[in-house]
Amino acid sequence: DAGVIQSPRHEVTEMGQEVTLRCKPISGHDYLFWYRQTMMRGLELLIYFNNNVPIDDSGMPEDRFSAKMPNASFSTLKIQPSEPRDSAVYFCASSLGKAEGYTFGSGTRLTVV
Amino acid sequence: GNSVTQMEGPVTLSEEAFLTINCTYTATGYPSLFWYVQYPGEGLQLLLKATKADDKGSNKGFEATYRKETTSFHLEKGSVQVSDSAVYFCALRNQGGKLIFGQGTELSVKP
Repeated sequence: DAGVIQSPRHEVTEMGQEVTLRCKPISGHDYLFWYRQTMMRGLELLIYFNNNVPIDDSGMPEDRFSAKMPNASFSTLKIQPSEPRDSAVYFCASSLGKAEGYTFGSGTRLTVV
Repeated sequence: GNSVTQMEGPVTLSEEAFLTINCTYTATGYPSLFWYVQYPGEGLQLLLKATKADDKGSNKGFEATYRKETTSFHLEKGSVQVSDSAVYFCALRNQGGKLIFGQGTELSVKP
Protein backbone atom coordinates (compact mmCIF):
# COMPACT_ATOMS: atom_id res chain seq x y z
CA ASP A 1 0.00 0.00 0.00
CA ALA A 2 1.64 3.23 -1.17
CA GLY A 3 -0.50 5.44 1.05
CA VAL A 4 -1.99 8.73 -0.03
CA ILE A 5 0.16 10.25 -2.75
CA GLN A 6 0.35 13.98 -3.30
CA SER A 7 2.16 15.91 -5.98
CA PRO A 8 4.10 18.05 -6.24
CA ARG A 9 5.87 18.06 -2.84
CA HIS A 10 6.90 21.67 -3.29
CA GLU A 11 5.50 24.36 -5.56
CA VAL A 12 6.75 27.91 -5.97
CA THR A 13 4.72 30.14 -8.21
CA GLU A 14 4.19 33.78 -8.94
CA MET A 15 1.15 35.68 -7.82
CA GLY A 16 -1.62 35.46 -10.40
CA GLN A 17 -0.61 32.07 -11.75
CA GLU A 18 -2.80 28.99 -11.66
CA VAL A 19 -1.74 26.22 -9.30
CA THR A 20 -2.98 22.64 -9.40
CA LEU A 21 -2.36 20.22 -6.55
CA ARG A 22 -2.92 16.51 -7.06
CA CYS A 23 -3.91 13.65 -4.81
CA LYS A 24 -4.24 9.90 -5.22
CA PRO A 25 -6.12 8.35 -2.29
CA ILE A 26 -5.66 4.86 -0.96
CA SER A 27 -7.41 2.37 -3.19
CA GLY A 28 -10.84 1.47 -1.85
CA HIS A 29 -11.19 4.50 0.41
CA ASP A 30 -14.49 6.28 -0.09
CA TYR A 31 -13.76 9.61 1.63
CA LEU A 32 -11.24 12.21 0.46
CA PHE A 33 -10.36 15.42 2.29
CA TRP A 34 -8.33 18.51 1.45
CA TYR A 35 -6.78 20.47 4.35
CA ARG A 36 -4.63 23.56 4.53
CA GLN A 37 -2.12 24.13 7.34
CA THR A 38 -0.55 27.43 8.33
CA MET A 39 1.11 28.64 11.50
CA MET A 40 -1.54 31.29 12.01
CA ARG A 41 -4.68 29.25 11.33
CA GLY A 42 -3.60 25.70 12.04
CA LEU A 43 -5.37 22.91 10.14
CA GLU A 44 -8.36 23.99 8.09
CA LEU A 45 -10.68 21.60 6.27
CA LEU A 46 -11.28 23.00 2.80
CA ILE A 47 -13.54 20.39 1.22
CA TYR A 48 -14.34 16.71 1.38
CA PHE A 49 -15.78 14.11 -0.95
CA ASN A 50 -17.68 10.90 -0.39
CA ASN A 51 -17.75 8.46 -3.30
CA ASN A 52 -16.36 11.22 -5.55
CA VAL A 53 -19.20 13.62 -4.68
CA PRO A 54 -18.40 16.88 -2.87
CA ILE A 55 -20.17 16.83 0.48
CA ASP A 56 -19.00 19.97 2.24
CA ASP A 57 -17.05 22.80 0.62
CA SER A 58 -17.81 25.40 3.26
CA GLY A 59 -14.13 25.66 4.10
CA MET A 60 -13.06 26.75 0.65
CA PRO A 61 -11.83 30.29 1.21
CA GLU A 62 -13.22 31.90 -1.93
CA ASP A 63 -14.06 31.37 -5.55
CA ARG A 64 -10.42 31.23 -6.51
CA PHE A 65 -10.32 27.74 -5.01
CA SER A 66 -11.92 24.75 -6.70
CA ALA A 67 -11.64 21.00 -6.20
CA LYS A 68 -12.64 18.05 -8.33
CA MET A 69 -12.71 14.31 -7.98
CA PRO A 70 -13.35 12.86 -11.44
CA ASN A 71 -12.90 9.28 -10.25
CA ALA A 72 -12.18 7.28 -7.13
CA SER A 73 -8.41 7.40 -7.59
CA PHE A 74 -7.72 11.05 -8.30
CA SER A 75 -8.52 14.52 -7.00
CA THR A 76 -7.26 18.01 -7.75
CA LEU A 77 -7.29 21.27 -5.86
CA LYS A 78 -6.89 24.30 -8.07
CA ILE A 79 -6.15 27.90 -7.14
CA GLN A 80 -6.68 30.50 -9.85
CA PRO A 81 -5.37 33.13 -9.57
CA SER A 82 -2.96 32.43 -6.71
CA GLU A 83 -2.08 35.04 -4.09
CA PRO A 84 0.75 35.23 -1.52
CA ARG A 85 -1.72 34.57 1.32
CA ASP A 86 -2.39 31.14 -0.21
CA SER A 87 1.10 30.06 0.83
CA ALA A 88 0.67 27.04 3.09
CA VAL A 89 1.03 23.28 3.25
CA TYR A 90 -1.91 21.54 1.61
CA PHE A 91 -2.72 18.03 2.76
CA CYS A 92 -4.90 15.42 1.17
CA ALA A 93 -6.30 12.58 3.28
CA SER A 94 -8.52 9.58 2.65
CA SER A 95 -10.50 7.14 4.77
CA LEU A 96 -12.73 4.12 4.54
CA GLY A 97 -16.09 4.76 6.10
CA LYS A 98 -17.16 7.37 8.64
CA ALA A 99 -15.78 6.04 11.89
CA GLU A 100 -12.16 5.40 11.04
CA GLY A 101 -9.25 7.80 11.08
CA TYR A 102 -7.79 9.38 8.02
CA THR A 103 -4.55 8.55 6.25
CA PHE A 104 -2.75 11.72 5.29
CA GLY A 105 -0.44 12.37 2.39
CA SER A 106 2.92 14.06 2.88
CA GLY A 107 1.54 17.39 1.76
CA THR A 108 2.35 20.01 -0.87
CA ARG A 109 4.22 23.07 0.35
CA LEU A 110 2.96 25.97 -1.75
CA THR A 111 4.79 29.27 -1.87
CA VAL A 112 3.26 32.13 -3.83
CA VAL A 113 5.66 35.02 -4.41
CA GLY B 1 -21.54 22.32 17.36
CA ASN B 2 -18.54 19.99 17.46
CA SER B 3 -15.20 21.22 18.73
CA VAL B 4 -11.95 20.03 20.29
CA THR B 5 -9.83 21.91 22.82
CA GLN B 6 -6.26 20.95 23.65
CA MET B 7 -3.87 22.25 26.23
CA GLU B 8 -1.60 24.91 24.86
CA GLY B 9 2.01 24.23 24.12
CA PRO B 10 4.83 24.11 23.83
CA VAL B 11 5.31 21.38 26.40
CA THR B 12 8.96 20.79 27.30
CA LEU B 13 9.97 17.65 29.18
CA SER B 14 13.13 15.79 30.03
CA GLU B 15 13.67 12.33 28.64
CA GLU B 16 11.87 9.61 30.65
CA ALA B 17 9.39 12.09 32.14
CA PHE B 18 5.66 11.37 32.27
CA LEU B 19 3.55 13.04 29.60
CA THR B 20 -0.04 14.22 29.73
CA ILE B 21 -1.64 16.31 27.00
CA ASN B 22 -5.19 17.29 27.87
CA CYS B 23 -7.98 17.16 25.32
CA THR B 24 -11.67 17.87 25.80
CA TYR B 25 -14.41 17.86 23.24
CA THR B 26 -17.92 19.06 22.53
CA ALA B 27 -20.03 16.93 20.25
CA THR B 28 -23.52 15.81 19.45
CA GLY B 29 -24.01 12.09 19.40
CA TYR B 30 -21.14 9.66 19.91
CA PRO B 31 -18.08 10.65 17.93
CA SER B 32 -14.94 8.61 17.39
CA LEU B 33 -11.85 10.16 18.97
CA PHE B 34 -8.29 10.22 17.69
CA TRP B 35 -4.80 11.39 18.41
CA TYR B 36 -2.54 12.29 15.49
CA VAL B 37 1.15 13.09 15.54
CA GLN B 38 3.04 15.33 13.12
CA TYR B 39 6.81 15.15 12.97
CA PRO B 40 8.67 18.13 11.47
CA GLY B 41 8.20 18.40 7.72
CA GLU B 42 5.79 15.48 7.55
CA GLY B 43 2.08 14.84 7.31
CA LEU B 44 -0.14 13.77 10.17
CA GLN B 45 -0.01 10.15 11.28
CA LEU B 46 -2.72 8.39 13.20
CA LEU B 47 -1.36 7.56 16.66
CA LEU B 48 -4.37 5.96 18.33
CA LYS B 49 -8.13 5.96 18.36
CA ALA B 50 -11.19 5.07 20.44
CA THR B 51 -14.65 4.63 19.01
CA LYS B 52 -16.87 4.39 22.09
CA ALA B 53 -17.05 5.38 25.74
CA ASP B 54 -14.48 3.74 28.05
CA ASP B 55 -12.44 2.45 25.12
CA LYS B 56 -8.68 2.84 25.57
CA GLY B 57 -6.58 3.48 22.51
CA SER B 58 -2.88 2.66 22.70
CA ASN B 59 0.15 2.67 20.44
CA LYS B 60 3.94 3.08 20.86
CA GLY B 61 3.56 3.51 24.62
CA PHE B 62 0.93 6.23 24.28
CA GLU B 63 -2.55 5.75 25.73
CA ALA B 64 -5.82 7.67 25.83
CA THR B 65 -9.20 6.71 27.31
CA TYR B 66 -12.54 7.89 25.92
CA ARG B 67 -14.28 9.48 28.93
CA LYS B 68 -17.85 10.36 28.06
CA GLU B 69 -18.69 11.71 31.53
CA THR B 70 -15.92 14.30 31.36
CA THR B 71 -15.89 14.61 27.54
CA SER B 72 -12.15 14.06 27.58
CA PHE B 73 -9.51 12.05 25.72
CA HIS B 74 -6.21 12.89 27.40
CA LEU B 75 -3.00 11.54 25.89
CA GLU B 76 -0.47 9.93 28.25
CA LYS B 77 2.90 8.24 28.05
CA GLY B 78 4.85 6.94 31.00
CA SER B 79 8.36 7.71 29.76
CA VAL B 80 8.95 10.03 26.82
CA GLN B 81 11.92 9.88 24.48
CA VAL B 82 13.63 12.58 22.43
CA SER B 83 12.14 10.94 19.34
CA ASP B 84 8.63 11.75 20.64
CA SER B 85 9.23 15.44 19.96
CA ALA B 86 6.46 16.44 17.57
CA VAL B 87 3.10 18.20 17.40
CA TYR B 88 0.15 16.20 18.72
CA PHE B 89 -3.41 16.76 17.53
CA CYS B 90 -6.57 15.56 19.21
CA ALA B 91 -9.53 15.09 16.89
CA LEU B 92 -13.09 13.87 16.75
CA ARG B 93 -14.99 12.47 13.83
CA ASN B 94 -18.63 13.46 13.76
CA GLN B 95 -21.49 11.48 12.36
CA GLY B 96 -21.21 13.30 9.05
CA GLY B 97 -17.72 11.90 8.59
CA LYS B 98 -15.80 15.15 9.10
CA LEU B 99 -12.65 15.06 11.28
CA ILE B 100 -12.43 18.09 13.55
CA PHE B 101 -8.99 18.87 14.98
CA GLY B 102 -7.79 20.68 18.03
CA GLN B 103 -5.16 23.36 17.59
CA GLY B 104 -2.25 20.99 18.25
CA THR B 105 0.24 20.79 21.13
CA GLU B 106 3.95 20.95 20.46
CA LEU B 107 6.03 18.57 22.56
CA SER B 108 9.77 19.03 22.96
CA VAL B 109 11.73 16.34 24.81
CA LYS B 110 15.25 17.21 25.96
CA PRO B 111 17.97 14.59 26.56
